[in-house]
Amino acid sequence: GAVVSQHPSWVICKSGTSVKIECRSLDFQATTMFWYRQFPKQSLMLMATSNEGSKATYEQGVEKDKFLINHASLTLSTLTVTSAHPEDSSFYICSAYGTSPTYNEQFFGPGTRLTVL
Amino acid sequence: SQQGEEDPQALSIQEGENATMNCSYKTSINNLQWYRQNSGRGLVHLILIRSNEREKHSGRLRVTLDTSKKSSSLLITASRAADTASYFCATANQAGTALIFGKGTTLSVSS
Repeated sequence: GAVVSQHPSWVICKSGTSVKIECRSLDFQATTMFWYRQFPKQSLMLMATSNEGSKATYEQGVEKDKFLINHASLTLSTLTVTSAHPEDSSFYICSAYGTSPTYNEQFFGPGTRLTVL
Repeated sequence: SQQGEEDPQALSIQEGENATMNCSYKTSINNLQWYRQNSGRGLVHLILIRSNEREKHSGRLRVTLDTSKKSSSLLITASRAADTASYFCATANQAGTALIFGKGTTLSVSS
């Protein structure tokens, strides 16, 4: 099956710094990637939709200037959390959409745990 | 916004018992999917059921879909300790691309 990787798998940073998370589709091209956020004991919440070569579409309530998304190639999307604060600590999961669009088949990355001190 | 609502929120059973989780959703769908997530890990796709299907099986999993009631259920038969995880249903958003997840059911299977 299709594989999606994320890097890093976990990161600890100081408040005020920026953190970049990479999401790669390893064996397929993904015109669309999605970023989700999951707080402890909660469900996944869609943050934004990332389309290759165009600006990301953010969900209501997600600050686009704080969560910068770049989808520069068909296999890579990045999420940069700018000026991170402790409340940004969360599990960030990406997914890539490519093989079976008819049935909305997505492949999920393993997630990145961000802890902001 | 979340599309699906699962119940129960938490379920504790013994190995060998069956576990049933329910999911309700709000809008019309083309399909509904179920995922499993082990604590602190990524998602594992379990099964997809299309809107024109009423029941689907995969190993020890049985999924039903009732579009008239906008609900689905996931049955895990003969549960094992390894089934301990959170289970989420998911449907597509209005654009038909991203997935909207329910709140999830946390299943604990004790041996």
